[in-house]
Amino acid sequence: ELKVEQNPLFLSMQEGKNYTIYCNYSTTSDRLYWYRQDPGKSLESLFVLLSNGAVKQEGRLMASLDTKARLSTLHITAAVHDLSATYFCAVDGYSGGGADGLTFGKGTHLIIQP
Amino acid sequence: EAQVTQNPRYLITVTGKKLTVTCSQNMNHEYMSWYRQDPGLGLRQIYYSMNVEVTDKGDVPEGYKVSRKEKRNFPLILESPSPNQTSLYFCASRYLGEQYFGPGTRLTVT
Repeated sequence: ELKVEQNPLFLSMQEGKNYTIYCNYSTTSDRLYWYRQDPGKSLESLFVLLSNGAVKQEGRLMASLDTKARLSTLHITAAVHDLSATYFCAVDGYSGGGADGLTFGKGTHLIIQP
Repeated sequence: EAQVTQNPRYLITVTGKKLTVTCSQNMNHEYMSWYRQDPGLGLRQIYYSMNVEVTDKGDVPEGYKVSRKEKRNFPLILESPSPNQTSLYFCASRYLGEQYFGPGTRLTVT
């Protein structure tokens, strides 16, 4: 059964600081996704990671994938208030129900304070 | 504009009153799915469809039905809603590994 664990689930940090969100998954998978969700909104795609060692960067966010360790990280550099949101990782693969689709982590609620 | 639309966006209903949430995409994608989002649980897949007339259960299908008669539409049907189906629902389509999510439907069942 595919399980996806994110940590931390809640993070309060100050502007200007760096931090990392971790995403562990239990079985091999073809793709790993990172999404951002603002309150009351839909999911915004941030990154799609396809292969071992993949690293993608967009502004202050950088995502990486280690398929051998089944670990992805989302690193925030010099955080700003606008990055406050909930961040989800999701893995493409079969879940315990035999379903084909994304299995999501529970999300990391990030608050960045001035 | 390429998009996934859902209707209604907000719905308050009573236990047992059948309802349908519509989902439509204009990208000609074969794969579509429904997720529900609950606090602290992330998103969980309800049903998915690989193509017209092909549907299958996700992780939490109990209490839901779907149909896929046309490629663009994938409605979610709650025959007899119960309070534990109060949730935020997202429809999505997928192409070449990229997911496209709808805006969400917030459902409250009293």
